[in-house]
Amino acid sequence: DGGITQSPKYLFRKEGQNVTLSCEQNLNHDAMYWYRQDPGQGLRLIYYSQIVNDFQKGDIAEGYSVSREKKESFPLTVTSAQKNPTAFYLCASQKGGGNTEAFFGQGTRLTVV
Amino acid sequence: QQQVKQSPQSLIVQKGGISIINCAYENTAFDYFPWYQQFPGKGPALLIAIRPDVSEKKEGRFTISFNKSAKQFSLHIMDSQPGDSATYFCAARGDRGSTLGRLYFGRGTQLTVWP
Repeated sequence: DGGITQSPKYLFRKEGQNVTLSCEQNLNHDAMYWYRQDPGQGLRLIYYSQIVNDFQKGDIAEGYSVSREKKESFPLTVTSAQKNPTAFYLCASQKGGGNTEAFFGQGTRLTVV
Repeated sequence: QQQVKQSPQSLIVQKGGISIINCAYENTAFDYFPWYQQFPGKGPALLIAIRPDVSEKKEGRFTISFNKSAKQFSLHIMDSQPGDSATYFCAARGDRGSTLGRLYFGRGTQLTVWP
């Protein structure tokens, strides 16, 4: 089945640790995105990539890093510099063109303990 | 600055009623306006989308109304059902080749439909 897969579904992190969230898609989509969702805040863009080996900061990139070494993979690292990392993280992909649908993964819930 | 403003934040509707969610934008370079539906613990999924060359688009019980001059668009859910209870997000996107090629989301509306 084609789709976008995020793992793990739940993740617990100790303060001061870096953690990496996985996002893989087999839709052959060019663009991939990472969003953070907090109650009442909607979806805020962290990073996005429109092509392999290139990515841009979104609205809330501080404390996060990404890589795009392969078309199908766009991992997000939450670093210790992110002061409030507890949130629901969503990855999305889009084929390309201005008006094509963005497909979302099922999300990773990160909790700092 | 919020590129897309959505209201209300929450909405309670009786079964069979009409749910209406409104969004407004400022950037006239936006040319694609999707609505996403999200159930708890899941990722959002595309519900319906419209381009500004039409004023209305209907898919089943879901209708988008678009007012280009007012820079507003809304989602109408007719005959609302308990299964429609979810969070709804409006969004906007511009030219993919520009920084506007990403989606800008509203803050979401939590819809509850009472049986």
